[in-house]
Amino acid sequence: EVQLVESGGALIQPGGSLRLSCATSGFTFSDYWIHWVRQVPGKGLLWVAQINGGAWTTYYADSVKGRFTISRDSAKNTVYLHMGSLRVEDTGLYYCARPPNTAVADPFEHWGRGTLVTVSS
Amino acid sequence: EIVLTQSPGTLSLSPGERVTLSCRASQSVDNNYLAWYQQKPGQAPRLLIFGASYRASGIPDRFSGSGSGTDFTLTITTLEPEDFATYLCQQYGRAPQTFGQGTKLEI
Repeated sequence: EVQLVESGGALIQPGGSLRLSCATSGFTFSDYWIHWVRQVPGKGLLWVAQINGGAWTTYYADSVKGRFTISRDSAKNTVYLHMGSLRVEDTGLYYCARPPNTAVADPFEHWGRGTLVTVSS
Repeated sequence: EIVLTQSPGTLSLSPGERVTLSCRASQSVDNNYLAWYQQKPGQAPRLLIFGASYRASGIPDRFSGSGSGTDFTLTITTLEPEDFATYLCQQYGRAPQTFGQGTKLEI
């Protein structure tokens, strides 16, 4: 069974840093793209970043470029989102998600339960 | 970026009814790379439809998607009690991929 489990969310002050983790199981980790997606009540879903199976290709939303870094550790089957220079508008529930098969990067068939990041002073 | 507008925002219906939800894109969606998700409170989205009209694994055939270019629809032929949820569309044909604001189906 495919599983994705996020962790690392916290209450943090503006300007701070945080690392989110997405631990995966039930599939060949290096074969799949993994994405981070943020959800804010009343504002819908926002795609944040993605990384390919080999970890040599990454893409970011303009709003996080230069502040967030996505990475993966194949020994731990885990994807990370390093979040820096956090802003109030980065607040939300962060999901990691995986496409349905190895041939595509999108859309998202498998999701975790999310981890909550609150940026506030 | 492509803006997706879903309508209506909320729809009040009864089990057994048929419903059609709309998702309109501000620009043409490349390759009709349009997906629909169902989301219930406290849960992650669930993929229903990809490529505008292909049902994801395990999705009942009462769900169907259609459309092309800028206008897409999700149809549920006979509403079951478990179908009352929020439905979101997503375009993944052009970076950055974007989501609509959702349509909430309520009893």
